[in-house]
Amino acid sequence: GAVVSQHPSWVICKSGTSVKIECRSLDFQATTMFWYRQFPKQSLMLMATSNEGSKATYEQGVEKDKFLINHASLTLSTLTVTSAHPEDSSFYICSAHFPGFPYEQYFGPGTRLTVT
Amino acid sequence: GEDVEQSLFLSVREGDSSVINCTYTDSSSTYLYWYKQEPGAGLQLLTYIFSNMDMKQDQRLTVLLNKKDKHLSLRIADTQTGDSAIYFCAESISGGGADGLTFGKGTHLIIQP
Repeated sequence: GAVVSQHPSWVICKSGTSVKIECRSLDFQATTMFWYRQFPKQSLMLMATSNEGSKATYEQGVEKDKFLINHASLTLSTLTVTSAHPEDSSFYICSAHFPGFPYEQYFGPGTRLTVT
Repeated sequence: GEDVEQSLFLSVREGDSSVINCTYTDSSSTYLYWYKQEPGAGLQLLTYIFSNMDMKQDQRLTVLLNKKDKHLSLRIADTQTGDSAIYFCAESISGGGADGLTFGKGTHLIIQP
């Protein structure tokens, strides 16, 4: 089946620094990828939609200057958390739309970000 | 309020059937999904149902949709220990391709021996 990877799987950073998270579709090309955020015992919240070659579309309430998304190729989308603060600590999950199937999104394993 | 609601926990005995329920509010939802999340792994799509269907069966899984009440359920027959996970109900208007999904908080399925 289609595989989506994320790197790193966990990261600890100091407040004020920036962190980049990578999302890769390993065996298929994805024109559309999605970034979600999951708090403990909470649902996944859609943050933004990442389209290859164009600007990301952010959900209401998500700061685009805070969470920079770059979808530079058909297999890679990156999320950069800029000037991270402790409240940005969370579990970030990406998914990639499998082309040709209207209903299939493949999810990465997630990245645990802890800001100290 | 929440767009998609689920109970947080369900405990069943091994071999029994598990029924996980979900309610959603968006009447324009076109596709409804069930995902499984195991520790350390990505969300796995279990099954999906189109909004014009009432039921879908796939091996041990049966999905029932009551569009009038906006109620979705997932029945797992002969529950095994490997079914222990968090199950998420999710909805999409366009089918998950053009837009992201709206998830419930997830139901933690606990299997008793």
